[in-house]
Amino acid sequence: GAGVSQSPSNKVTEKGKDVELRCDPISGHTALYWYRQSLGQGLEFLIYFQGNSAPDKSGLPSDRFSAERTGGSVSTLTIQRTQQEDSAVYLCASSPIIAGETQYFGPGTRLLVL
Amino acid sequence: SQQGEEDPQALSIQEGENATMNCSYKTSINNLQWYRQNSGRGLVHLILIRSNEREKHSGRLRVTLDTSKKSSSLLITASRAADTASYFCATDPLAQKLVFGQGTRLTINP
Repeated sequence: GAGVSQSPSNKVTEKGKDVELRCDPISGHTALYWYRQSLGQGLEFLIYFQGNSAPDKSGLPSDRFSAERTGGSVSTLTIQRTQQEDSAVYLCASSPIIAGETQYFGPGTRLLVL
Repeated sequence: SQQGEEDPQALSIQEGENATMNCSYKTSINNLQWYRQNSGRGLVHLILIRSNEREKHSGRLRVTLDTSKKSSSLLITASRAADTASYFCATDPLAQKLVFGQGTRLTINP
């Protein structure tokens, strides 16, 4: 079956512009995660959705970052007024019912802010 | 420091040799997982070991878990060029979300 998909694959934007990154999780997966990974670094947790519960936003680095998950499926990560330090690969992952179990990752969106 | 820390940060070996990577963590966990990442893109799940397990095998992979020392190791036997990648351990300290380490960059030289 289809895995996690993300779009766009690559995004180049100018400093100050807003960007939207999309994630389509595996059908039926109730948990969805967003991570950020700078070049050569580990994964930085951003936000976590679990079913209909309030999302865990504890990893969002600033109020310029927000995310939504509509209908318990597709998620959009929005970065407003982008800065050069926002340049990174943004990874989405989903997992079945129970949090802490195996996560299935999308290919990521590589964001470059000029 | 991080909940999960891999050691070494980088490892370079000859094809055919075994590669061992270690992960240490701080708090109690339900399970520990290892992931592989090629070319800075999506991670691929390799193996999950639960807190009541001590060793697990999957093909050429062997994972051990020592909860008393809060550490795990990943052994890749008979390494191949295709094993070149970054390897991350992930733990679930609060049973809510995974926390990833910084990774070990493994290079297999032909």
